[in-house]
Amino acid sequence: DQQVKQNSPSLSVQEGRISILNCDYTNSMFDYFLWYKKYPAEGPTFLISISSIKDKNEDGRFTVFLNKSAKHLSLHIVPSQPGDSAVYFCAASSFGDYKLSFGAGTTVTVRA
Amino acid sequence: DAGITQSPRHKVTETGTPVTLRCHQTENHRYMYWYRQDPGHGLRLIHYSYGVKDTDKGEVSDGYSVSRSKTEDFLLTLESATSSQTSVYFCAISAEVTGERGNAEAFFGQGTRLTVV
Repeated sequence: DQQVKQNSPSLSVQEGRISILNCDYTNSMFDYFLWYKKYPAEGPTFLISISSIKDKNEDGRFTVFLNKSAKHLSLHIVPSQPGDSAVYFCAASSFGDYKLSFGAGTTVTVRA
Repeated sequence: DAGITQSPRHKVTETGTPVTLRCHQTENHRYMYWYRQDPGHGLRLIHYSYGVKDTDKGEVSDGYSVSRSKTEDFLLTLESATSSQTSVYFCAISAEVTGERGNAEAFFGQGTRLTVV
């Protein structure tokens, strides 16, 4: 049973607008969360992370929000750019357990 | 970019044949992983290693074995390839983190596209 879920397989957004990607998890032991970005024919690349002691982490245009009580996190991309068109994976792990559990991914398409 | 090399990048093989995929790292990271990516499933962990000769199973380990005889190399073997093992395989590495933060991000290789016919 998948412990990390991304329920939106795809998202289309206009250039310059905000992209919001959502992720839910079921394992209450998860306390470290990551977002990866993947282009076709390439490996996933690390984008941003957040630990459970925080509820927000920002890095440039990317912000991740964590709601522990709802077991939900989201990634905001503002403003969206054409180069942001990719598949985004949400991932999670527990303290000291280096294995990552991944969601199924959300394909983002940024329209000009 | 993290120094991770996967070989081969593409392979077509016949059902029932053994196949070995190689992952080589130059980062001296302790942890190494093999994932497979399939539509609708994201990335699923096959096997991982937490040191030389120390390996363990992931969530989809049936039909796969691994070996790690050196820090820098992690091999994935499909003992008898089946069509259900047609997939894109990714190797990943992560460093050991000390202190209160007990996790680290993983860095991925470019992937190996395997087709079993």
